[in-house]
Amino acid sequence: KNQVEQSPQSLIILEGKNCTLQCNYTVSPFSNLRWYKQDTGRGPVSLTIMTFSENTKSNGRYTATLDADTKQSSLHITASQLSDSASYICVVSPYSNYQLIWGAGTKLIIKP
Amino acid sequence: DAGITQSPRHKVTETGTPVTLRCHQTENHRYMYWYRQDPGHGLRLIHYSYGVKDTDKGEVSDGYSVSRSKTEDFLLTLESATSSQTSVYFCAISPLGGEEKLFFGSGTQLSVL
Repeated sequence: KNQVEQSPQSLIILEGKNCTLQCNYTVSPFSNLRWYKQDTGRGPVSLTIMTFSENTKSNGRYTATLDADTKQSSLHITASQLSDSASYICVVSPYSNYQLIWGAGTKLIIKP
Repeated sequence: DAGITQSPRHKVTETGTPVTLRCHQTENHRYMYWYRQDPGHGLRLIHYSYGVKDTDKGEVSDGYSVSRSKTEDFLLTLESATSSQTSVYFCAISPLGGEEKLFFGSGTQLSVL
């Protein structure tokens, strides 16, 4: 069964610190892997999209990595800001059909 | 939120009553989607539309119907709401198919008592 699992479920860090969020997936083959940011009470917003052949993709202080061999992705946030407090969702697009497989997300809280 | 308006933002209803949620876009995108989001679960696709009057089922379509009579409006109807349909519902739009380049609305919190 195609699954996307994220860890940790929640994370609290101090402002200015770095953090890394993990995503493990069983979807194979896949077309692309995405990371979304979801603020409380809002819809998800795309951060990065990586095809199966890409290893890394950056968007400002956000850097996503992908290891297709181990079926793992990570999202690294550098020099965290209070506005980074949100849920971060990993999403995999299977190659065979159009329905995305969404992870449950990691809730990140940045404390001043 | 990329020219997407969902209404209502919050709704409380009773079991067995019909409920319609509306998604309105000003971007003239061809593709529109309805998802539900539940605690501890990823988003799940309910129905989607690839044009006026063209719709198809998603992963969790049972108990839901949709209609799209105009490019800008996509309606989600719960014919007879059940407590298991308590959820946050998100509409998304895209200029491309295959759930690519999704732009989401702010969601509707629906509680079925």
